Amino acid sequence: GAGVSQSPSNKVTEKGKDVELRCDPISGHTALYWYRQSLGQGLEFLIYFQGNSAPDKSGLPSDRFSAERTGGSVSTLTIQRTQQEDSAVYLCASSLAGLQDVFGPGTRLTVL
Amino acid sequence: AQTVTQSQPEMSVQEAETVTLSCTYDTSESDYYLFWYKQPPSRQMILVIRQEAYKQQNATENRFSVNFQKAAKSFSLKISDSQLGDAAMYFCAYRSQFRKLIFGTGTRLQVFP
Repeated sequence: GAGVSQSPSNKVTEKGKDVELRCDPISGHTALYWYRQSLGQGLEFLIYFQGNSAPDKSGLPSDRFSAERTGGSVSTLTIQRTQQEDSAVYLCASSLAGLQDVFGPGTRLTVL
Repeated sequence: AQTVTQSQPEMSVQEAETVTLSCTYDTSESDYYLFWYKQPPSRQMILVIRQEAYKQQNATENRFSVNFQKAAKSFSLKISDSQLGDAAMYFCAYRSQFRKLIFGTGTRLQVFP
């Protein structure tokens, strides 16, 4: 497709369950970012993948959060043992040279 | 560490008028990029305008222009001839070489007919 896609669009889960969020970047984009946007807040960086380099995981808030990027394309963000404070919109972005990021529509995660 | 500050949580403007959104940032780097993103209720982040720090000339994109003051670390966005479709959250963001974007907390812009 022409843009970045994310799935699911919305996810409701119970506290303690694991969730997986998926991001399909634009084909050929070497950089992929995950951000979290809590209600009424700005975007908080989570993790950054660039080509075959080791990812920058400096923004992951706890060891319950992990992400991988397979084959330099699709990325999955996994949250284990979800907590209510994990409720947020999770946004993915990709770019070719880091100058113009294209964002996906986000996944709204609600933890009950 | 770099920080981005947007001191106006909300702004409003009359249709066809001009509005300016403020942004300041803090960095010790000399080479970086600054961005303004628009986020409508659909949550899709849309790039409005980009400024390279090494360029003295202020960036413009149609009705959108910036006032980039590098020494003052200020990066304001001017929207001319405001339209109803401009109503959204606007985020100022900073990036050093190909790394993560650091966002401000946003300014909600309302446009009145």
